[in-house]
Amino acid sequence: EVQLVESGEGLVQPGSSMKLSCVASGFTFSNYGMNWIRQAPKKGLEWIALIYYDSSSKYYADSVKGRFTISRDNSKNTLYLEMNSLRSEDTAMYYCATFNYGFDYWGQGVMVTVSS
Amino acid sequence: DIVMTQAPLSVSVTPGESASISCRSSKSLLHSNGITYVYWYLQKPGKSPQLLIYRMSNLASGVPDRFSGSGSETDFTLKISRVEAEDVGIYYCGQLLENPLTFGSGTKLEIK
Repeated sequence: EVQLVESGEGLVQPGSSMKLSCVASGFTFSNYGMNWIRQAPKKGLEWIALIYYDSSSKYYADSVKGRFTISRDNSKNTLYLEMNSLRSEDTAMYYCATFNYGFDYWGQGVMVTVSS
Repeated sequence: DIVMTQAPLSVSVTPGESASISCRSSKSLLHSNGITYVYWYLQKPGKSPQLLIYRMSNLASGVPDRFSGSGSETDFTLKISRVEAEDVGIYYCGQLLENPLTFGSGTKLEIK
């Protein structure tokens, strides 16, 4: 069974940093691209970052480019999202999701709240 | 960026009836390889989204065949036949043709 388990949720002040993790199991993690997708409270879905299976390419939404960094450690079956210079508008549920036919599998999500 | 526009914002359906949700893209999602890169997702209340349809008309694993996807290069439809109570939630279309990957704003399906 495919499982994606995010961690790192919390409340942080504007301008601070935070790192999210997503541990994968039930499939060959190193064969698949991975994404981070977020959802602000009561809002729709926003894709924010994609990393290829071998980390050879990374893509970001303009809203996070230069502030967020996606990375992965295939030896640990883990996906990361390093978030710097956080803003109130980054407050959202953050999901990791696999990338095969589409966003095939999603984690349960972690809540990030940016507020003073 | 490719804009995905969904309609209606919400739909109320009697169990057993069918429902259709539309999605329009601001650019053709038909790639030169013949694949149309439009996708449909369902987010049930309090849950993570799940993939329903990939590449316009292909049913994702485990999804009931009451769901079907169709369309052209820029206009797409998700049809749900014989709606059941478990189908409630917000349906999103999305495109994977080019970055940034984008979603529609969602259509809420409720049961009458």
